[in-house]
Amino acid sequence: VHLVESGGGLVKPGRSLRLSCSTSGFTFGDHGMSWFRQAPGKGLEWVGFIRSQGYGATTYYAASLEGRFVISRDDFKGIAYLQMNSLKIEDTALYYCSSGESGDPFWLDYWGQGTLVTVSS
Amino acid sequence: SYELTQPPSVSVSPGQTARITCSGDSLPHIFCSWYQQRPGQSPVLVIYQETKRPSGIPERFSGSISGNTVTLTISGAQALDEADYYCQVWDNNTVIFGGGTRLTVL
Repeated sequence: VHLVESGGGLVKPGRSLRLSCSTSGFTFGDHGMSWFRQAPGKGLEWVGFIRSQGYGATTYYAASLEGRFVISRDDFKGIAYLQMNSLKIEDTALYYCSSGESGDPFWLDYWGQGTLVTVSS
Repeated sequence: SYELTQPPSVSVSPGQTARITCSGDSLPHIFCSWYQQRPGQSPVLVIYQETKRPSGIPERFSGSISGNTVTLTISGAQALDEADYYCQVWDNNTVIFGGGTRLTVL
């Protein structure tokens, strides 16, 4: 299983950015997908999760994001997306996508290498 | 909000046993997992469902639970086990991590 994040970069506060998580080596449509982030020198923080289409592609998000982020998925391409709106300086972090064999994220077997998002004026 | 509590740091000498704890009120009732994160690397699942070890994880890694505390044990710790370790649960449609424990082996 291989997960590769892309789309990170330098963005100004208030702007938007979309991250992608390209996958291979497993049946993407059967798996939920999660996004996490890690600010420099800090711990892991959950961003959100999207269930498989078989479970309605239901999404869940960290309350701290205040509805600014949206997760979606394209099962034909095997890609999960993280749309980040109204970005703040405190959103600066390394963003990881992840998935696992437990359906909901009781545990996460697979992790990408991360993509860095820097929010600065 | 629900929290998982880990010690900030644990230090052992090579060959000793390292124990990292994670405490939370709901832990007896929900699955808990452990991740290892070496500097500059992505997290790696080392224990799931409190006691199960994924394929490819060395046998020196084990997990246990007692009451509302889960413990990650590294028997015969090696220098390459130096890393940050995080416990994690999925509870009430939310992923929660502990604050992380820095394991030093020296």
